[in-house]
Amino acid sequence: ELKVEQNPLFLSMQEGKNYTIYCNYSTTSDRLYWYRQDPGKSLESLFVLLSNGAVKQEGRLMASLDTKARLSTLHITAAVHDLSATYFCAVLTNTDKLIFGTGTRLQVFP
Amino acid sequence: DGGITQSPKYLFRKEGQNVTLSCEQNLNHDAMYWYRQDPGQGLRLIYYSQIVNDFQKGDIAEGYSVSREKKESFPLTVTSAQKNPTAFYLCASSSISYNEQFFGPGTRLTVL
Repeated sequence: ELKVEQNPLFLSMQEGKNYTIYCNYSTTSDRLYWYRQDPGKSLESLFVLLSNGAVKQEGRLMASLDTKARLSTLHITAAVHDLSATYFCAVLTNTDKLIFGTGTRLQVFP
Repeated sequence: DGGITQSPKYLFRKEGQNVTLSCEQNLNHDAMYWYRQDPGQGLRLIYYSQIVNDFQKGDIAEGYSVSREKKESFPLTVTSAQKNPTAFYLCASSSISYNEQFFGPGTRLTVL
């Protein structure tokens, strides 16, 4: 059974600082997705990573995928308050189901 | 304007009642999904459908039922057999080839 673990679960960081969120998964997959969720809202797609070594960047967020290590990272550069949200990674199984991580709740303070 | 709609936004259910949550998409996606999210938790898959008139159980299907009579629609019924249905329910859809799932705005169900 595919398991997806994120760490940290909670992250409180100061504006302007950098940090990385990690997503580990337990079995082979070559497709990984990152989503953002604001409190009480739905999920917004951030990145789709389709192959080993894939790197995508949007604004202050950069995501990468290492399928050999079964690891994806979401790097935050010079955090701003607007990035405060919960971030989920999700891994595609060989039966085309997405398995979600537990989420990382990010809070950026002045 | 393409997207996924869910209704109602809020739903209150008395114990012993069945309720149906609506999900409609106009993205021409083949696959549709229902997830449940409890406070502070990730998403858990209830049911999914990759083609009209066919659907599969997810990880927590007990107490739920679905139908897929039209490509655009995938309603979820929460039956009285679901012991703890209070949660946030999210519907999603995707194309078979690309698998990126797009989510609706969600329905928040509360049992009174």
